[in-house]
Formats: sequence, structure tokens, C-alpha cells
Amino acid sequence: QQPVQSPQAVILREGEDAVINCSSSKALYSVHWYRQKHGEAPVFLMILLKGGEQKGHDKISASFNEKKQQSSLYLTASQLSYSGTYFCGPDISSGSARQLTFGSGTQLTVLP
Amino acid sequence: DVKVTQSSRYLVKRTGEKVFLECVQDMDHENMFWYRQDPGLGLRLIYFSYDVKMKEKGDIPEGYSVSREKKERFSLILESASTNQTSMYLCASSLTGAAYGYTFGSGTRLTVV
Repeated sequence: QQPVQSPQAVILREGEDAVINCSSSKALYSVHWYRQKHGEAPVFLMILLKGGEQKGHDKISASFNEKKQQSSLYLTASQLSYSGTYFCGPDISSGSARQLTFGSGTQLTVLP
Repeated sequence: DVKVTQSSRYLVKRTGEKVFLECVQDMDHENMFWYRQDPGLGLRLIYFSYDVKMKEKGDIPEGYSVSREKKERFSLILESASTNQTSMYLCASSLTGAAYGYTFGSGTRLTVV
């Protein structure tokens, strides 16, 4: 089952903040986040491995609530370059071969 | 720079044709994946492989098969292409272990007419 992402789309002005949520119906071992710009390959942003873990680089950070089976991506003081579609990819694998099931994505548009 | 290369950026095939989509990675990654991407549906896993000659079904394997004869190459095969297989196909690879992200190729836009 694919995770549920919200919102589906968001439009911001430069400098504004945004939060993207990802919720899974299954227990999560980890959560990946990716960004895809139009016409390009998805690019890896970060992995959260443990419940309660928070990570970030630049002004993009994320949290992982293992018990709630949720993760959130935080974009602070957004820049034009943040525009794109963001995908969460929870790892719900039960075996040794890990694979991700991605959400439908959140389209983020940052306007000047 | 590490790369996942998909052989074709755009492909147009006729209904009923056998179609091969090729993916090559130069990072010595053990794991390789095929996803299809459709508007509103995100990325859905078709097949993946965690070793040479090994393959596992993903969420939507019907109508597809795969081949991995060498570590660096993972092929997606549409046995008899149909119009509902018109989509963007993305290949990805990763090292084994929970701490590693995926590296994606740029995709192949397949149109079946």
C-alpha cells in the first residue's frame, strides 16, 4: 500500500515555510525523502532510520515518528530552487531485500 | 560522478510488440529497481533485484518481466506491450543496507500506440 502524502500541492512565496506529511498504514523501518524537478530524475534528500530521528541539511529537515508511522518534511525560508515534487518512500520491507513504496508526491511551487 | 543510465529517453512502440528497457549503473550497487511513474499515482514498484539473476516482484508486476545477467545491468521487458503501459519508467539502484538512498536514472518515456 502506498503511503499517503499531504498536501498534494502547495504554492509558496520565497522565504515562506512549508510542511509535507507522509503517513503509512504499515510499520516503518525507515523513511526516505526525494525531490524531483520537472523532466529530471528524483534526487535523494535524506533517510530517517529511527523513530524520533530528525535530520536536516541546509534549510530542509525531516522527522520520523515510528509509533505513528508518520514522517514530515520541513522546508524553511523556501528558495526558488526548492520547487519540485517531493516523494516520501517508507521502507516497509520485511525481508533482507529492502524496497521502497513511494507516495503520490507533493508538488511544491515557490514563487518570487 | 555516479550514474544510472537508461538507454532511451523516449520510445514509441506498437501494441503487441515486445519491448526492452535497459538500465546500467556504474556504482557496483547490489540492488536495482524498476518503477513506473504516472500522474497522481507517484512511483510504483514493478520489479527489483538484489543480486545477479535474482528478482522479486514489486507492487505491479503484471505484464512485465525482468532480467539481470550482470550486476550492472537490469532490463525491464514488456512481453506484449499494451496502451495501458504507456508511462514514464524509472530505474534506480542502491547499495545493500537500510542507510543507503536510491540513485535514479533520468527515465524512459514509453508510448504504446
